[in-house]
Amino acid sequence: GIQVEQSPPDLILQEGANSTLRCNFSDSVNNLQWFHQNPWGQLINLFYIPSGTKQNGRLSATTVATERYSLLYISSSQTTDSGVYFCAVGFTGGGNKLTFGTGTQLKVEL
Amino acid sequence: NAGVMQNPRHLVRRRGQEARLRCSPMKGHSHVYWYRQLPEEGLKFMVYLQKENIIDESGMPKERFSAEFPKEGPSILRIQQVVRGDSAAYFCASSPPKQGAYEQYFGPGTRLTVT
Repeated sequence: GIQVEQSPPDLILQEGANSTLRCNFSDSVNNLQWFHQNPWGQLINLFYIPSGTKQNGRLSATTVATERYSLLYISSSQTTDSGVYFCAVGFTGGGNKLTFGTGTQLKVEL
Repeated sequence: NAGVMQNPRHLVRRRGQEARLRCSPMKGHSHVYWYRQLPEEGLKFMVYLQKENIIDESGMPKERFSAEFPKEGPSILRIQQVVRGDSAAYFCASSPPKQGAYEQYFGPGTRLTVT
């Protein structure tokens, strides 16, 4: 069936470290978004990236749709980066709904 | 340019009562989506609406839940006769009035607690 898998499930970093989060999906997509859910529960849009590469400050993302994966890079991590990172996918022919992955729980320590 | 607005931010209901959650999309958006995040679970799609039309309700529970997006005013997610298992965060998202897939912008959520 349709699946969105994220890895790793949990990640602990020292402040200043870099990290790569991965999202694998099982079918062709017409929408892919990355979100950060902060400790207060709010969902922050990071990237809309059904294909290609984008950068925004210390964050960047790459989606290789033909190989069915997306990567989120966090450089020089800060404690405010802590929270859960979700990948959400809109599958081609699946309407406009997003299917969310199970998330990566990130904790950045001093 | 205000983002997606949801109210209330927190809602407490006793079992058997009704819960009404409101969502005002971003200015210029006419597509609205509702998602639910149960405790310790990921976000799940519930329903997709355009003005006065339900487009996809494949994620809605069969009973007690309904949604509308009238010509004027916010979208409403209504839960009748709430039970403890309805306690969750309910997020609304909106996207532009265009066909096809576009970025969805999320509101801050309504946290429903059923006592």
